[in-house]
Amino acid sequence: EVQLVESGGGLVQPGGSLRLSCEVSGITFSRYWIHWVRQVPGKGPVWVSRINENGGITNYADFVKGRFTIYRDNAKSTLYLQMNSLRVDDTAIYFCALDLAGARDQWGQGTLVTVS
Amino acid sequence: IVMTQTPLSLPVTPGEPASISCKSSQSLLHANGDTWLAWYLQKPGQSPHLLIYMASNRASGVPDRFSGSHSGTDFTLKISKVEADDVGVYYCMQGLQTPYTFGQGTKLEI
Repeated sequence: EVQLVESGGGLVQPGGSLRLSCEVSGITFSRYWIHWVRQVPGKGPVWVSRINENGGITNYADFVKGRFTIYRDNAKSTLYLQMNSLRVDDTAIYFCALDLAGARDQWGQGTLVTVS
Repeated sequence: IVMTQTPLSLPVTPGEPASISCKSSQSLLHANGDTWLAWYLQKPGQSPHLLIYMASNRASGVPDRFSGSHSGTDFTLKISKVEADDVGVYYCMQGLQTPYTFGQGTKLEI
């Protein structure tokens, strides 16, 4: 069974930093693109970032460019999101999602980030 | 790419069919022939889970009551006979190009 478990969320002041982690098991992690998607409770999901299988290609939503960095450690089957210069409107549940929109699409349960 | 989903609210009766529409602002057809449109269901307190990928392929474990189709930039998710467990918010999402974008969501209620 494929499992994705996010961690690292919490309460941070505006301008602060957090690093989110997403540990993946039950699948060959290094074979898949993997993404971060966020969702304000009661609102729709919003795509944040993605990274390719070996970490050589990354893409970001405009609203996080220059502030967030996505990276992965295939040896640890773990995805990361380094979030700097956090703003109040970054408050959301952050999900990692493997193979988004593909046949093996799978999401974690999310980790809550509160910037206040 | 803008995804426009309708309706936003869908009251249904168990056993009856239901249909949700999603329109993309441009083609979602990749050069390799795949159409990058996915449908998700998000139940309260849960993360979204995949129902349909590549516009018309049911994800593993998804009942055959769910089907996806499309014509050009118009996409449809159909539930042949709604069950009580189908309640939640349904989203379409395009995965052709970044930023991936979601429809506004359709809340299905019994």
